[in-house]
Amino acid sequence: KQEVTQIPAALSVPEGENLVLNCSFTDSAIYNLQWFRQDPGKGLTSLLLIQSSQREQTSGRLNASLDKSSGRSTLYIAASQPGDSATYLCVPQRTSYGKLTFGQGTILTVHP
Amino acid sequence: KAGVTQTPRYLIKTRGQQVTLSCSPISGHRSVSWYQQTPGQGLQFLFEYFSETQRNKGNFPGRFSGRQFSNSRSEMNVSTLELGDSALYLCASSPGAGNTGELFFGEGSRLTVL
Repeated sequence: KQEVTQIPAALSVPEGENLVLNCSFTDSAIYNLQWFRQDPGKGLTSLLLIQSSQREQTSGRLNASLDKSSGRSTLYIAASQPGDSATYLCVPQRTSYGKLTFGQGTILTVHP
Repeated sequence: KAGVTQTPRYLIKTRGQQVTLSCSPISGHRSVSWYQQTPGQGLQFLFEYFSETQRNKGNFPGRFSGRQFSNSRSEMNVSTLELGDSALYLCASSPGAGNTGELFFGEGSRLTVL
């Protein structure tokens, strides 16, 4: 059974800092891993999708890496901004037809 | 390209009533999955549909049911509502036959049971 752990559980930083959010998962037989952000009371917004054959993906100030064999992924956020404040979720995916396992996420607060 | 649309966005019901939530996936996406999010349990998988067939379901009682139509739109129904059913219900769509594609979520339907 897949278990997902995200560290830290919460992070509060001043604007401009570079951040590292960590994700570990127990079942490495995944096809891809997706990072999402969730604003309070809203749905999940896709940030990055990393296929299992890839090591990393980049989008703007975001960079995500994947080490499938060790069951780890890392999300780097460069030059953080207050608008980055949200809960960040990593979601490893198998061909389990939607049966995803979610961790508790990392609650990020970036203050001006 | 329109995103995933969920309706209604907010609703209030009383115990014992039933509720139907709707999800319209991104055009061309054939897989729709449903999740319940509560402060205590986090995000939990309800069920997944592809081409009108339920392919997988989570550990929820039979009061929770769903269906998918030929146009890929999906509905979920909760009967005999309980206080504990108060939650944000999210649906996600993805293109494909396998679970290897990017998932896109809707904004959710916030259900409050009084």
